[in-house]
Amino acid sequence: AQSVTQLDSHVSVSEGTPVLLRCNYSSSYSPSLFWYVQHPNKGLQLLLKYTSAATLVKGINGFEAEFKKSETSFHLTKPSAHMSDAAEYFCVCSPGTYKYIFGTGTRLKVLA
Amino acid sequence: DTGVSQDPRHKITKRGQNVTFRCDPISEHNRLYWYRQTLGQGPEFLTYFQNEAQLEKSRLLSDRFSAERPKGSFSTLEIQRTEQGDSAMYLCASSLSDVSFFGPGTRLTVL
Repeated sequence: AQSVTQLDSHVSVSEGTPVLLRCNYSSSYSPSLFWYVQHPNKGLQLLLKYTSAATLVKGINGFEAEFKKSETSFHLTKPSAHMSDAAEYFCVCSPGTYKYIFGTGTRLKVLA
Repeated sequence: DTGVSQDPRHKITKRGQNVTFRCDPISEHNRLYWYRQTLGQGPEFLTYFQNEAQLEKSRLLSDRFSAERPKGSFSTLEIQRTEQGDSAMYLCASSLSDVSFFGPGTRLTVL
């Protein structure tokens, strides 16, 4: 069965420092992988997606993620955090069909 | 606004009452999904429509839950005889491909 594990439920960083949100997936084959962000009282917004074309994926707002098959990881990074990045981030796996399997989320806090 | 919309945004009801939620997908999207999100958890898949056909239902969707998508456009999710455990955010999403677009959700509180 496919699953997604987000290794940190909360991450705090200072504004201007790098962000690392960790995600590991379990799948019997290469799935589609996504990162979504959820701001309070707003819908989930797609940050980026991986679909085997390139292992380093660039997304919106300066975020990027690297797919590492050997480590079954898809960690999300950003070189410099901004206050507006504070939100809940979800790693998502789509195992070749249509529905999404979500991780439990990582709440990112950005300190001034 | 051409995104996914959901109505109502908030619903408070008493245990045992029936509730119905509506989702309007992005107009050209043929796929529509319902998810449920409880506090501190990621959204969990409930059901999926392709056009008007309901192609999959999660085991999370008990007999008290029913979803429809007449004419392949908007969808409704009804919960009968609500229980306190039904309190959650109900999310709707639509897609044409592997990328889903989510609505803002309906937050249900069952007293």
